[in-house]
Amino acid sequence: DIVLTQSPGTLSLSPGERATLSCRASPSVSSSYIAWYQQKPGQAPRLLIYGASTRATGIPERFSGSGSGTDFTLTISRLEPEDFAVYYCQQSDSSLWTFGQGTKVEIK
Amino acid sequence: QVQLVQSGGAVVQPGRSLTLSCEASGFSLRSYAMHWVRQAPGKGLEWVGVISFDGLNIHYADPMKGRFTISRDNSKNTVYLQMNTLRLEDTAVYYCVRARGVGDQWGQGTLVVVSS
Repeated sequence: DIVLTQSPGTLSLSPGERATLSCRASPSVSSSYIAWYQQKPGQAPRLLIYGASTRATGIPERFSGSGSGTDFTLTISRLEPEDFAVYYCQQSDSSLWTFGQGTKVEIK
Repeated sequence: QVQLVQSGGAVVQPGRSLTLSCEASGFSLRSYAMHWVRQAPGKGLEWVGVISFDGLNIHYADPMKGRFTISRDNSKNTVYLQMNTLRLEDTAVYYCVRARGVGDQWGQGTLVVVSS
């Protein structure tokens, strides 16, 4: 089974700052199968990034994804007030999904 | 408007059964694999299982094998999650998710509470 480990658990930042979220896969996974989701309290998750680096429809350009093999990154270039939320990475190899444990981005 | 409308959540006693429904509107479900994902209170996302677009291939996460059954009726544009022998640890919000590889459309979630 593919295990995804996200770090840090919590990221305390101010609006306007840059956020860098990490997702490590074990074993390695094709970047084609890596996605990122955003979840706000009381809401369903929303797809942000798929294929490790492709923004989903309607997702602002400040969100970007990168990485390959075992190390993947979600970057939010300049945090907006609505970006404070929990972020999950996901792998979808062989149609069997695994999620990371999540990174909470909170207001400092 | 593309959406997945979920129903069936309830408070049930341990050992009992419950079936959740997920009806698609604004699109045809028959072109998509459908997943179920759950989230225990205050916890992260946990994958439950998947059913292929035609219902011929179904896979479950290990903790759900033998207790949960995913099915679909494409003529009703609906997917189901039948949960048997429910345990306290099955308490969660359950989401159905439309997928083409990744989950691009999520239901609103339905709460299942297992409590005596």
